[in-house]
Amino acid sequence: AQSVTQLGSHVSVSEGALVLLRCNYSSSVPPYLFWYVQYPNQGLQLLLKYTSAATLVKGINGFEAEFKKSETSFHLTKPSAHMSDAAEYFCAVSGSWGDSSASKIIFGSGTRLSIRP
Amino acid sequence: NAGVMQNPRHLVRRRGQEARLRCSPMKGHSHVYWYRQLPEEGLKFMVYLQKENIIDESGMPKERFSAEFPKEGPSILRIQQVVRGDSAAYFCASSPFLPGESYNEQFFGPGTRLTVL
Repeated sequence: AQSVTQLGSHVSVSEGALVLLRCNYSSSVPPYLFWYVQYPNQGLQLLLKYTSAATLVKGINGFEAEFKKSETSFHLTKPSAHMSDAAEYFCAVSGSWGDSSASKIIFGSGTRLSIRP
Repeated sequence: NAGVMQNPRHLVRRRGQEARLRCSPMKGHSHVYWYRQLPEEGLKFMVYLQKENIIDESGMPKERFSAEFPKEGPSILRIQQVVRGDSAAYFCASSPFLPGESYNEQFFGPGTRLTVL
């Protein structure tokens, strides 16, 4: 079984400050891990994904995440927040093809990021 | 290449009516997934389909919900006799099938927001 836990349903940072959104995962098979962003009343956009290659993954809009197996974590960071980063962020996990878990993405409950001027 | 298309974007139904949600996958994609997002929650997997086949319906409610992906035309998520608790955003995603690849990315549509009065 797979699951993800996002720590903090709401994070608020000042413009220009570091963004850190926390995600811990649980998986009985080697996981594939994702971060998605959702703007109000819109669909999901993939920010970045970890698929067992480099542990430090760079995504769009200046975001990156580091896979830490020892800590079962996949935290999302951005060095300097911009007002346009305000959105809902979802951490997610799935298995690889061949696993029964491959067909579904399991999402966390989301973290709402607010940016203060 | 157009993205995943969903229609309608907003759907209002009264209790007891039927709701039909449509999803047209990206060109060349043969796999379709449906997810439901309840207010203030993350997305929850419902069903995974290939053309004319349901592959995984482990997330589908046992009653009133059905899904199909016919040989021609869009995938349909059908909800019979809707109740207020069905009010949610329903997202469709599609992916290609690339033999030999361990992971096939899912691309999400903009969602259909169902409101049951």
